[in-house]
Amino acid sequence: QQPVQSPQAVILREGEDAVINCSSSKALYSVHWYRQKHGEAPVFLMILLKGGEQKGHDKISASFNEKKQQSSLYLTASQLSYSGTYFCGTVSGGGGSNYKLTFGKGTLLTVNP
Amino acid sequence: DARVTQTPRDKVTEMGQEVTMRCQPILGHNTVFWYRQTMMQGLELLAYFRNRAPLDDSGMPKDRFSAEMPDATLATLKIQPSEPRDSAVYFCASGRQGFEQFFGPGTRLTVL
Repeated sequence: QQPVQSPQAVILREGEDAVINCSSSKALYSVHWYRQKHGEAPVFLMILLKGGEQKGHDKISASFNEKKQQSSLYLTASQLSYSGTYFCGTVSGGGGSNYKLTFGKGTLLTVNP
Repeated sequence: DARVTQTPRDKVTEMGQEVTMRCQPILGHNTVFWYRQTMMQGLELLAYFRNRAPLDDSGMPKDRFSAEMPDATLATLKIQPSEPRDSAVYFCASGRQGFEQFFGPGTRLTVL
């Protein structure tokens, strides 16, 4: 079952913050976040494993609440280069040998000057 | 810089023709994935392999699609016969089990 992302689209001015949410109806083993720019391939941002660990690099971070089966991606002090479509991908169940990612429909983020 | 390569990058064909897409995963990666992306459905997993063995192809229409890994450096996705509804961007991705997936540039398929 496909995870649900919200919002579907968001428009920011450079320097503003944004939060993108991803929720699943299934118990999750891990959540993966990718960004895709128009006409390009998705690019990996980060993985969060069961355990509620928050990860981040630069001004992009994410959290994973396994009890609620939700993950959130936080973009702070957004830059023009952050524009693109953000996808969460989920691995459900116990993980183990299951590497099957199910992607949400994506959140289109536009950062304007 | 190690990258996943895909050929062809663009393919225009007529309904009923066979289409073969090729992917060279990153050396050392033991999992290979095929995805299809459309505006309506988003990114859908078609099939994936681990150590060249097919693990899951439940996302693939079995009557016309087939995926293989004849060796560790080549994965193929074949559509026969192709239909207009198969028009999409097809991505191959590779990774080490459980970790990040590296996507290739994609093959844009148009079936007329």
